[in-house]
Amino acid sequence: KAGVTQTPRYLIKTRGQQVTLSCSPISGHRSVSWYQQTPGQGLQFLFEYFSETQRNKGNFPGRFSGRQFSNSRSEMNVSTLELGDSALYLCASSREQGAAAGNTIYFGEGSWLTVV
Amino acid sequence: QKEVEQNSGPLSVPEGAIASLNCTYSDRGSQSFFWYRQYSGKSPELIMFIYSNGDKEDGRFTAQLNKASQYVSLLIRDSQPSDSATYLCAVNALSGGGADGLTFGKGTHLIIQP
Repeated sequence: KAGVTQTPRYLIKTRGQQVTLSCSPISGHRSVSWYQQTPGQGLQFLFEYFSETQRNKGNFPGRFSGRQFSNSRSEMNVSTLELGDSALYLCASSREQGAAAGNTIYFGEGSWLTVV
Repeated sequence: QKEVEQNSGPLSVPEGAIASLNCTYSDRGSQSFFWYRQYSGKSPELIMFIYSNGDKEDGRFTAQLNKASQYVSLLIRDSQPSDSATYLCAVNALSGGGADGLTFGKGTHLIIQP
């Protein structure tokens, strides 16, 4: 079956702009989580959506936001982009809410964002 | 502050030998522990998870958990050049509402030398 699909795969934005990234989870998965990966900080949890509601949130500023639609697809938005937002943004899906042993999360290939 | 610590490496292991990857975590309330493999330019892929103290084996991989010492390890037997990658240890963070997102270590870069 199809995996987690993220679009766009690569994008370049200018400081101060905003960006929207899209994620389609694995069929049947109701939870979508977003992570940011940078060489300096590694992989960091942004937020999780389940049943169209944000369930958990990591330690990121309010410029980072997201939403989930009724078909479980999700988008994340970053406003007023800063150079430090350059990163790989990974979407992950799972059947149920929360990362636990019985609820494996699967990652998409990611969206590479470069802010210049 | 929930933290997961890993030696960044690189860890160089001869082909056919056992690679041992280690991870410590700070949150005693953590319940599930995961090992992900990430090839350069690719997304992380799950190798295995463990939630009970002791060993869990899956093929050439063995995960070991010691909650008292807050220590998780991954052993890779009969290491192959294709095992060369960054290995990420992840721990489920907990909030008042239950399982939260994963807290990742920064990864250990493993190199299997032919």
